[in-house]
Amino acid sequence: GENVEQHPSTLSVQEGDSAVIKCTYSDSASNYFPWYKQELGKGPQLIIDIRSNVGEKKDQRIAVTLNKTAKHFSLHITETQPEDSAVYFCAASKGGSYIPTFGRGTSLIVHP
Amino acid sequence: NAGVTQTPKFQVLKTGQSMTLQCAQDMNHNSMYWYRQDPGMGLRLIYYSASEGTTDKGEVPNGYNVSRLNKREFSLRLESAAPSQTSVYFCASSLSGEEKLFFGSGTQLSVL
Repeated sequence: GENVEQHPSTLSVQEGDSAVIKCTYSDSASNYFPWYKQELGKGPQLIIDIRSNVGEKKDQRIAVTLNKTAKHFSLHITETQPEDSAVYFCAASKGGSYIPTFGRGTSLIVHP
Repeated sequence: NAGVTQTPKFQVLKTGQSMTLQCAQDMNHNSMYWYRQDPGMGLRLIYYSASEGTTDKGEVPNGYNVSRLNKREFSLRLESAAPSQTSVYFCASSLSGEEKLFFGSGTQLSVL
């Protein structure tokens, strides 16, 4: 089955800095890569996703890039703010199953 | 709309006790899922239900049973709780053929 590795497990940045979280996947048939944000005491919430026919996608301060050849994808957050502090999960899934395999999560801490 | 509602939010059990975690969604979704979240382990799928009347095992089904009561409700039962089942449990739902998951706010379970 699919295996998703996520790094780093913890990321500490100063407000205004950029943050990058990286994930790799093992199944070349995977074609959908979502990112979820989990705030303290809440369930994960989808913040951005990318499909395998696209190399990059942006939504305001967040962006995701995908390298199908290397089987890795990354989340980029620019101009970080304290409210960006949360646990971020990457995931991968493929058509027909639609059930995502999650990475182990990254705890992002943004210091004011 | 409430989205995905989980009850209870917190529960403490003694080893060997049984309990049922309840989940209901009001988004008319066909698919429902149960995940557990443990520190450093990410989100692991316990069981899922692709549609009313069907259930399938996920990555970590041992010690659990599920019931898809109707389209709205999907319950998770621990017949004889063990300390290894201490975790945060999340229910999620999605439309058939769609990859985006909607999560509840979780149940924090401690088994002593």
